[in-house]
Amino acid sequence: DGGITQSPKYLFRKEGQNVTLSCEQNLNHDAMYWYRQDPGQGLRLIYYSQIVNDFQKGDIAEGYSVSREKKESFPLTVTSAQKNPTAFYLCASSMSWGLQETQYFGPGTRLLVL
Amino acid sequence: KQEVTQIPAALSVPEGENLVLNCSFTDSAIYNLQWFRQDPGKGLTSLLLIQSSQREQTSGRLNASLDKSSGRSTLYIAASQPGDSATYLCAVKSGGSNYKLTFGKGTLLTVNP
Repeated sequence: DGGITQSPKYLFRKEGQNVTLSCEQNLNHDAMYWYRQDPGQGLRLIYYSQIVNDFQKGDIAEGYSVSREKKESFPLTVTSAQKNPTAFYLCASSMSWGLQETQYFGPGTRLLVL
Repeated sequence: KQEVTQIPAALSVPEGENLVLNCSFTDSAIYNLQWFRQDPGKGLTSLLLIQSSQREQTSGRLNASLDKSSGRSTLYIAASQPGDSATYLCAVKSGGSNYKLTFGKGTLLTVNP
């Protein structure tokens, strides 16, 4: 089955710790995205990648980092510089960085701070 | 800066009722508008995508309309069912050459049996 997988489903971070959220897709999509969702809020774009080996900051990139070394993978690292990391993180992909493209979403990772 | 507003924030209806969810956006220079469904603790599922040149899209019991000039879209759900209970999110793609999706906060729909 084609789709987007995110792991883990739940992640706990200690103060001062960096954690990495995994996102993998087997849809052969060029573009990938990371969003953050807080209760009662719309999704906010953290980072996006139009193509492998390229990525751009979104609206709330501070305290986060990404890499795009493989087409199918777009991991997100939440660094210790992110002071309020508790949120639901959603990864998405689209066939290309195009005006007509629909984004397909993964099941999400919920990050909690211990 | 594009802003997307969804009204109402929550809606509870009896099964079988027809209902309308509203979405408004501040910058009418959009490329397209998309409606998503989100179940609790889950990712988003795309329901309908309306291009800026289109007035409406239909899929089964769902019909989405777009009035770009007034900055409004509606999602009409016919003959609602308990399985329609979810949060519905509206998102617009805009922003010139650096286009991206801007999401509303969603409408939480509960359909009571």
